[in-house]
Amino acid sequence: SQTIHQWPATLVQPVGSPLSLECTVEGTSNPNLYWYRQAAGRGLQLLFYSVGIGQISSEVPQNLSASRPQDRQFILSSKKLLLSDSGFYLCAWSVAGPYEQYFGPGTRLTVT
Amino acid sequence: GNSVTQMEGPVTLSEEAFLTINCTYTATGYPSLFWYVQYPGEGLQLLLKATKADDKGSNKGFEATYRKETTSFHLEKGSVQVSDSAVYFCALSEFTGNQFYFGTGTSLTVIP
Repeated sequence: SQTIHQWPATLVQPVGSPLSLECTVEGTSNPNLYWYRQAAGRGLQLLFYSVGIGQISSEVPQNLSASRPQDRQFILSSKKLLLSDSGFYLCAWSVAGPYEQYFGPGTRLTVT
Repeated sequence: GNSVTQMEGPVTLSEEAFLTINCTYTATGYPSLFWYVQYPGEGLQLLLKATKADDKGSNKGFEATYRKETTSFHLEKGSVQVSDSAVYFCALSEFTGNQFYFGTGTSLTVIP
């Protein structure tokens, strides 16, 4: 069966510090991968998605970036965090087409 | 374009009450429709899905019917429990795309 992992689960970082969040998927090949952000009490904002290694689509211009160095690995990064980057970050995967997405447990990021 | 609109929350119900959360969609093609549930501090979990018109998705006492004529996918449950307290998201995905479209989420609180 497929499993999706995210780490860390919780992170507190000062403004201006770098960020690296990692997501890995097990049990499937060539998945579509997604990064979402959820502000407190709000809906989901799609940040990036990837349909293959090295292929990244950005949905929201910002100081975040994403990379997919391996088929089942998706990384969210920032060189300098802003207070507005605080939120709950969710990684998800799906197969191509009108199929469900499966979500990881999320990373709670607080920028102080 | 594609979009999902769901009823504003929060919704507060007494235990054993009937639940309806409205969801309507706009799509350019023939989407699959989904309901997700998010418990506090967790990622989203797929609750149910329907892939074509008149399909009924069901799980854990929840049901939703894909109504193409009204472009709706309303979530219902006959008797809610305290453990159903969560945020519910309606979503769609189309065959030709790689993106999901989520509603803004509806917070449900069930009181004993």
